[in-house]
Amino acid sequence: AQTVTQSQPEMSVQEAETVTLSCTYDTSESDYYLFWYKQPPSRQMILVIRQEAYKQQNATENRFSVNFQKAAKSFSLKISDSQLGDAAMYFCAYRSAGGSQGNLIFGKGTKLSVKP
Amino acid sequence: DTGVSQDPRHKITKRGQNVTFRCDPISEHNRLYWYRQTLGQGPEFLTYFQNEAQLEKSRLLSDRFSAERPKGSFSTLEIQRTEQGDSAMYLCASSLSGDGSPLHFGNGTRLTVT
Repeated sequence: AQTVTQSQPEMSVQEAETVTLSCTYDTSESDYYLFWYKQPPSRQMILVIRQEAYKQQNATENRFSVNFQKAAKSFSLKISDSQLGDAAMYFCAYRSAGGSQGNLIFGKGTKLSVKP
Repeated sequence: DTGVSQDPRHKITKRGQNVTFRCDPISEHNRLYWYRQTLGQGPEFLTYFQNEAQLEKSRLLSDRFSAERPKGSFSTLEIQRTEQGDSAMYLCASSLSGDGSPLHFGNGTRLTVT
């Protein structure tokens, strides 16, 4: 079974600085998708960024980028120019490609605080 | 796009009672998912539908839990004979077909069993 591990329960960053959130996963599959989701306090979960495993190029979305290391099964999220609104729980998630499996497997999350 | 809506937002019930939650997905999404999230944890998968067909169920979904999506639109999640351990946030999400399609989540229903 696939697993997702986020080893940093909490992280803190100064406003305008850069922070990297770690995620590792375990799978025997070669084709899959990886996601980072953001869950602000008492608000709904929203997609931050997505990566297809067959693409070597790292995904980027404005201030958010990933460092995808397939061999190492690592998928870290970098947030540049951190803003107060970035404070939230961040969840890394894995999903198999193909077949009937629709299950999105989440890590336990990293709570990010942004200091003004 | 009005987003995924869930009703109610909060539900307090006594142990042993039955509860039902409703989820209205984004209209063009044919996949609908239910997740459970407890404090300090990531969401745990419960079940998902493609149109009206329930394609996958987690082992977490005991026989006290039942989910339906009768016309391939809205879905209901019923918990019978609730237990204190059922207290959690129940999240609904929807997506287009395709494994790479991102899930769009609702605000969740927070269940408290006393």
